[in-house]
Amino acid sequence: DAGVIQSPRHEVTEMGQEVTLRCKPISGHNSLFWYRQTMMRGLELLIYFNNNVPIDDSGMPEDRFSAKMPNASFSTLKIQPSEPRDSAVYFCASSRRGMDNTIYFGEGSWLTVV
Amino acid sequence: DAKTTQPTSMDCAEGRAANLPCNHSTISGNEYVYWYRQIHSQGPQYIIHGLKNNETNEMASLIITEDRKSSTLILPHATLRDTAVYYCIVRVAGYGGATNKLIFGTGTLLAVQP
Repeated sequence: DAGVIQSPRHEVTEMGQEVTLRCKPISGHNSLFWYRQTMMRGLELLIYFNNNVPIDDSGMPEDRFSAKMPNASFSTLKIQPSEPRDSAVYFCASSRRGMDNTIYFGEGSWLTVV
Repeated sequence: DAKTTQPTSMDCAEGRAANLPCNHSTISGNEYVYWYRQIHSQGPQYIIHGLKNNETNEMASLIITEDRKSSTLILPHATLRDTAVYYCIVRVAGYGGATNKLIFGTGTLLAVQP
């Protein structure tokens, strides 16, 4: 089976531009997570969904960040407008809900805002 | 979720066993111990998890003390490719809302030396 698929893998954008990161979870998984990793703050959970419904968005840094999950096989994380401090690696992860709810991660989207 | 304490860094000689300790003295009865690792520039990779019995898979062994307040991840024959940050996380497995998420600490940087 394919793992969690993220796109783009790398993006460089100018401050003020809109950034959209995409994620396809593992087929059959019904929980999806967005994480951000920086040197200063490590791996932080931004938001997660169960059955396409956002459950906990307390980690979303501010209103410039938004996440959607329109269906079970696709999610987006949008930053508008982007700022240099948003530069980080953004990871998407997914899991089943149930006794075996191990979380599996994608390879990340490396974002640089200049 | 209970917090964990891990050493910041460890060294291990190639071919020898790497033993990575983790303290989780406030773990609850329904919390599992999970181990992930992150090789530079990659997404976190699931290694193993357990509740109270020792566990072994193709990657590693997990030894949990009888009182469940600490555990050790064992890589039996470390290779240079095992150089990574290793995260010990306690988490409730199974059905749940907020308990599904993984909260990462700072982990242990394992450096395997030739």
